[in-house]
This record gives sequence, structure tokens and C-alpha cells, in this order.
Amino acid sequence: DVKVTQSSRYLVKRTGEKVFLECVQDMDHENMFWYRQDPGLGLRLIYFSYDVKMKEKGDIPEGYSVSREKKERFSLILESASTNQTSMYLCASSFRIRRDGNQPQHFGDGTRLSIL
Amino acid sequence: AQTVTQSQPEMSVQEAETVTLSCTYDTSESDYYLFWYKQPPSRQMILVIRQEAYKQQNATENRFSVNFQKAAKSFSLKISDSQLGDAAMYFCAYRGYNTDKLIFGTGTRLQVFP
Repeated sequence: DVKVTQSSRYLVKRTGEKVFLECVQDMDHENMFWYRQDPGLGLRLIYFSYDVKMKEKGDIPEGYSVSREKKERFSLILESASTNQTSMYLCASSFRIRRDGNQPQHFGDGTRLSIL
Repeated sequence: AQTVTQSQPEMSVQEAETVTLSCTYDTSESDYYLFWYKQPPSRQMILVIRQEAYKQQNATENRFSVNFQKAAKSFSLKISDSQLGDAAMYFCAYRGYNTDKLIFGTGTRLQVFP
């Protein structure tokens, strides 16, 4: 079974802090994703990585950055946390579509982040 | 740009009954993939069912089936013989043929009553 592990289930930080959310997958997936989930808004893509050191902005990248130094690990960074970044953050991974277009994304448990 | 709409923020169903969750999407592509994901309370999001647009036959997975109407751009999920464990947020998602990215709807919260 695919395992996508997010480092924390719950996290509380203060405004202005630099926050790191870590995600690790064990299926040799090329793609990794960071989403933000808010009630009534569904899942919105923050950043996407299709290879080591490669990244693409998603729909809401402002205030965030990412790092992918190893294939299995994808980090989301809040450079200076603000209260409007309080949310649920979901990491996902998948194979690239060239392997099999029908491949789904596999999700971690999520990190509920509160910025005070 | 593609969009996915789930017009039912909440639905409820009695145990053992059948419920249908609606999803519509907008796209100009002819080939694409559609997915339903389930997110139980405080638990991991998991894939329920998937459909390739080029297949006319509706996908089924045990008690879960879809009604895929390509011309109407509709992709509804039917849950038969509902169980308490089916209570969750359900998200409909679209992926274009040549992209790795998913576009999600806003979700439908399903409650199941005994």
C-alpha cells in the first residue's frame, strides 16, 4: 500500500514564524503536491513538484514556498506565518501521467495548522 | 479553465438506503479522467472510484457506482446500501488528459443515520 506520511497531525505556531511542513512518500512517485483545504472551498493546490528540485506554482502559492531535495520528500514552507494561513494542509503523491493516466493521487493524513 | 461543481454541501441518508451525490464539471477537452474521493472525519482521503472519459460504461466498485453523462458533463456518485462508515466528505475531481494536476469540487458532507 502507498504510504504518504505528514510529519505532524496538529501544529500551533505564532504569526511571523517560519513554518515547515514535511511530507514523505514510499512509492517512488515522481509527483508530489501540497494542497490547502478550507470549508466551502474544497482543496486548492499550493505547489506541485514533478521531479527533484522541480516545482510549479499552483492556484494559491502566495506566502508559501516548497523544497524537494530528495524524490521521496516534499516540504512546504510558510516564510512568515500569518493568521490567514490557519488551515488544513494535505500532501499527495502520484506517478506521472505518462506511466498511466488513470493513476490516482494518494494523500497523507493532513496537518491542521493554527497560526496565533 | 476547467471547473468542478458540487452543488450539495450536505446530504443525509438512512442506513441501508441509497444516496446520490452530484458533480458537474466544465471543460473543453474530450479526453480526461474523473475521480470521487472520500475523506472520513479526521482520517485520510482515499479514492472511491474513477472513470475515464473515453469509456462509455459507468464505473462500479462494490456498493459505489457512477452515472457518467459526458454530454451533460455530469459525474454523480451513487452509494447503495449505505453504511455508517460511509459518513464522510466526498470530493469530486477532474484531471485533464495531459496534466498531472487535479481540480477538486468543494465537497459534499454525507451523514448516515441509523
